[in-house]
Amino acid sequence: DGGITQSPKYLFRKEGQNVTLSCEQNLNHDAMYWYRQDPGQGLRLIYYSQIVNDFQKGDIAEGYSVSREKKESFPLTVTSAQKNPTAFYLCASSIGTGAGETQYFGPGTRLLVL
Amino acid sequence: GDSVTQMEGPVTLSEEAFLTINCTYTATGYPSLFWYVQYPGEGLQLLLKATKADDKGSNKGFEATYRKETTSFHLEKGSVQVSDSAVYFCALTDIAGGTSYGKLTFGQGTILTVHP
Repeated sequence: DGGITQSPKYLFRKEGQNVTLSCEQNLNHDAMYWYRQDPGQGLRLIYYSQIVNDFQKGDIAEGYSVSREKKESFPLTVTSAQKNPTAFYLCASSIGTGAGETQYFGPGTRLLVL
Repeated sequence: GDSVTQMEGPVTLSEEAFLTINCTYTATGYPSLFWYVQYPGEGLQLLLKATKADDKGSNKGFEATYRKETTSFHLEKGSVQVSDSAVYFCALTDIAGGTSYGKLTFGQGTILTVHP
């Protein structure tokens, strides 16, 4: 079955620690995205990548970093510079970035701070 | 900038009741409109979409019509079921100035609870 996988489902971060969230897709999609969801709020865009070896900052990129070395993979690192990292993180992908393209979401990773 | 406003929740209904969740938007370009649904502890699933004015999206008994004159995309269902209990998000992507990177702009979400 084609889809998007995210791991781990839950992740715990200690003070001053960097953690990396995994996102893999086997849909052969060019575009991938990372969103952050906080309780009672909609999703906000952290980073996006339209093609391999290219990525751009979204609306709330501070304290986060990404890489896109393979088409299937778009890992997100939450650095120690992100002062309020507790949230639900969702990865998405789409065939392209044209008008009306549907984004498909993974099951999410919940990040908690110890 | 672009924005999406949804009706405040939570919404609580009895099974077989009629559902409306209001959604209005502000966009500078030519938006495509989406409704996504999120079940507890899961990611988002596309429920329906519309890409131009007067288009109607429909799926699983849900419908929404793209109304450019009122900048609205209200979600409706004639008879809800307990299994429809979830969080519903209205969202848009916009092409402004001929460029787009597919960013979804979301409303804050509306929690729907359906009782037997």
